[in-house]
Amino acid sequence: QKEVEQDPGPLSVPEGAIVSLNCTYSNSAFQYFMWYRQYSRKGPELLMYTYSSGNKEDGRFTAQVDKSSKYISLFIRDSQPSDSATYLCAMSASIWADKLIFGTGTRLQVFP
Amino acid sequence: GAVVSQHPSRVICKSGTSVKIECRSLDFQATTMFWYRQFPKQSLMLMATSNEGSKATYEQGVEKDKFLINHASLTLSTLTVTSAHPEDSSFYICSAPRGGLSGELFFGEGSRLTVL
Repeated sequence: QKEVEQDPGPLSVPEGAIVSLNCTYSNSAFQYFMWYRQYSRKGPELLMYTYSSGNKEDGRFTAQVDKSSKYISLFIRDSQPSDSATYLCAMSASIWADKLIFGTGTRLQVFP
Repeated sequence: GAVVSQHPSRVICKSGTSVKIECRSLDFQATTMFWYRQFPKQSLMLMATSNEGSKATYEQGVEKDKFLINHASLTLSTLTVTSAHPEDSSFYICSAPRGGLSGELFFGEGSRLTVL
C-alpha cells in the first residue's frame, strides 16, 4: 500500500462548478499537509499549507484535513478554465522538507 | 514571481553526451535542495538531496555516478546527467525549501530532457 493515495483522474467539470480533490494516507504521523498545482510542463506551485486537522481557506480554495480518517481534501469554488492543471497533495510527519511524500496528482479539466 | 529558477527548461542531446541542469534559489539561501524526476502521469520521484558543502544524498536505485549533483553555493545546485541515454529522457524538477521548512518548499520550472 502506498503511503499516499490520490485518484489520477482526469476530473472534468464545467466552469463554475465546485471541485473536490482528495488524498488518503496511511501514516498517522503525518501532520503537515500541502496542496500543489502543476500546469503542464511546469514545476509545481504551492497552493495551500495546513498543519494538523481543520480547514484553511484562501480565496476560492479550501483545504480540509481529517486526521481521524486519514483524508485530506482541496475544494475549489467557482472553478475556472485556468484551474485546469494537475493537483498534487503532499504530506509529512516532519516540519522539514526532506521528508515530504507526494501523491501521484489528479488531473483537473475545467471546460467553459 | 519565481523564487526558484531552473535552466534550461528544455534540452535535446545526443546519446552519450552529458547535460547540466541548474537550480537557483533567487531570494533566499538554501543549504538543501531536492532533485526530482517525473514521468508522464506519475508523481514526483525524489532522486537526491543536494547539500551545500557536502555530498549529495541519493535515493535508493538512483545511480550517483550517472546523476552528478554539485551544490556549489547557498543559492545554486546543479544536476549533471552523464553519458545520457534515451531512457534518461524525462522531466527533471528541482526544489528548495526556504528555511528548510516543508511548508516553504518552492519548485523550479522543470527541465525536459530528450536524449536522441
